[in-house]
This record gives sequence, C-alpha cells and structure tokens, in this order.
Amino acid sequence: EAGVAQSPRYKIIEKRQSVAFWCNPISGHATLYWYQQILGQGPKLLIQFQNNGVVDDSQLPKDRFSAERLKGVDSTLKIQPAKLEDSAVYLCASSLGGRRADTQYFGPGTRLTVL
Amino acid sequence: DQQVKQNSPSLSVQEGRISILNCDYTNSMFDYFLWYKKYPAEGPTFLISISSIKDKNEDGRFTVFLNKSAKHLSLHIVPSQPGDSAVYFCAASAAGSNYKLTFGKGTLLTVNP
Repeated sequence: EAGVAQSPRYKIIEKRQSVAFWCNPISGHATLYWYQQILGQGPKLLIQFQNNGVVDDSQLPKDRFSAERLKGVDSTLKIQPAKLEDSAVYLCASSLGGRRADTQYFGPGTRLTVL
Repeated sequence: DQQVKQNSPSLSVQEGRISILNCDYTNSMFDYFLWYKKYPAEGPTFLISISSIKDKNEDGRFTVFLNKSAKHLSLHIVPSQPGDSAVYFCAASAAGSNYKLTFGKGTLLTVNP
C-alpha cells in the first residue's frame, strides 16, 4: 500500500514570496491533516479535512495560509506571503475516517526555509 | 501554553536495557493518548495508544502506562534495540475536539550497541 506522498521535499524562498505544497493521501482515506512542525517542537495541526470539507482550521493563520482539498483526494497548502517564522517542516497526514481509533499516517514532510 | 510536556529532550540507554520515556499533560479533558516515533527525514509513525479507561497497554516490546491522577504517562521499551533510536512524540486528544492531536516536543532516544 502506498503511503502519503508529499512534494516538494525541500523548498527555499525569500520572505514575502509565495509557496505551495502538495499532498496525496493514502487511497480511500477520507480525512486529511496538515501540520506545521517548527524545529524543536512537536507537530501542530493547521487544518483538518473530512473528504473535501473543513473540520478544523482554528490554528491556521488565515491571513496568509490557505488550503484546499479538491474532489476529496489531493490537497494543497499555500502560504502567501511567507514570513521568516514560517520556516518549518509541513507534514501531511491521512486517516481512514476522523474517528479516534483511526491511525494517522504521515508523509515525509516538506522542509520550508524562508530567508 | 504547552498542554503536553516531554521534559527530557534526550535519553541514552544501552542495548538490551529498558528505555522509559515520560510525558505529562495539563488538560484534564484529554482522554486518549498516543506515542509516535520519528526517524530523520521521515514523518512520524504511530507506535501505541491508550484510552483513559485503561492504565496500561502493551504491544510487544512497547508498553504505555497512564496515571490519570498524576496526569502522567510513560512509554517503556524492553529490551531496547539500536533500531529504536528515534525521536518519540507523546500526543493527546479530547473527546469533542474532532479528536485533534496535541503533541509534545519530543524526546530523542539513542540506544547504544
């Protein structure tokens, strides 16, 4: 079974530029998550989708971050404009459903460096 | 406010011995707890979980203990193997929060041969 795919793996941009990350979840997984992991911290949930609807985006900085999940499968996370403090690893995860016992499977992440 | 705390940034043990990783939480609404393991350049992988109705859950070499009154849980690895060297994250969720996971900062475990 293929895992969660993410691209690109690494991205370096200047502050105030825009950047987008792509995630392809495990086939059949209805729930998709985007996390931000700053160096030395644990992952922090940015947004959770159930199919193509948003379940939780309470920690998403909506003035600069946006995310969409078209057709309930792939998802993109965009930052516009980027700030220095956005330097982090962006992790995508998926689970079969949104229930507690549904294991979240993580992709390898995209490491973003904002200069 | 750090609701899930892993106060030991790192831990080093000898192969074959027991590894004990600790985690404390402050939110009394948390009722489900998980441990994830992370190797460099990879995403976290699920290891083991425990519901608040239990105080122990075992899976092979991994056992998680939960002390609700102390708001403390621990992960025991016996025996430790060099392949267990990784960062271990403690996570918690609360009913009614869409099961959103709150992670600790992680503990780097090094198992020396």
